[in-house]
Amino acid sequence: GAVVSQHPSWVICKSGTSVKIECRSLDFQATTMFWYRQFPKQSLMLMATSNEGSKATYEQGVEKDKFLINHASLTLSTLTVTSAHPEDSSFYICSAQITRQTYGYTFGSGTRLTVV
Amino acid sequence: TQLLEQSPQFLSIQEGENLTVYCNSSSVFSSLQWYRQEPGEGPVLLVTVVTGGEVKKLKRLTFQFGDARKDSSLHITAAQPGDTGLYLCAGGTVEYTGTASKLTFGTGTRLQVTL
Repeated sequence: GAVVSQHPSWVICKSGTSVKIECRSLDFQATTMFWYRQFPKQSLMLMATSNEGSKATYEQGVEKDKFLINHASLTLSTLTVTSAHPEDSSFYICSAQITRQTYGYTFGSGTRLTVV
Repeated sequence: TQLLEQSPQFLSIQEGENLTVYCNSSSVFSSLQWYRQEPGEGPVLLVTVVTGGEVKKLKRLTFQFGDARKDSSLHITAAQPGDTGLYLCAGGTVEYTGTASKLTFGTGTRLQVTL
């Protein structure tokens, strides 16, 4: 089946630094990928939709300059948290839309970001 | 803004009991998916329903999509400790291109099944 690999699984960084999270589709091409954020014991909140070769579409309230999304190829999307602060600590999850499956989505295993 | 409210938010039951989780919205969705998520992992798809009134069964789990495609329910029969997890409903729409658009996730139901 369609698999999305997300790395790293967890990362600890200092305030003010930037962190890059990668999401790769292993056995299919992902034209569209989605980035979610999840706080402890809460549901997933969509941050942005990334389309290969074009600018990402951000949800209302999500800072574009802080959460940089790049979808340069059909198998790779990256989320960079710039100038991270403790309030950016969260669980970030990517998802890819499975081509030719109208309702097909597959999720990465998530990245636990802790900013100290 | 499309919102999906799940109830209950938290449920703690003993092994063997039955339970139902509800997912309600004022918006119409083209599809409704149910996921289960373990701590520190991504959600895993359980089922997709697309037709109003549709009922799907997956072993001890029964899923129903409301006639108006605004709500859904998940019923678990004879719950087991392995059913413990966060259950999420997610509504999807279909773009004019025929491809699915983004998912809107429900508020989540945390289920704990004890021996």
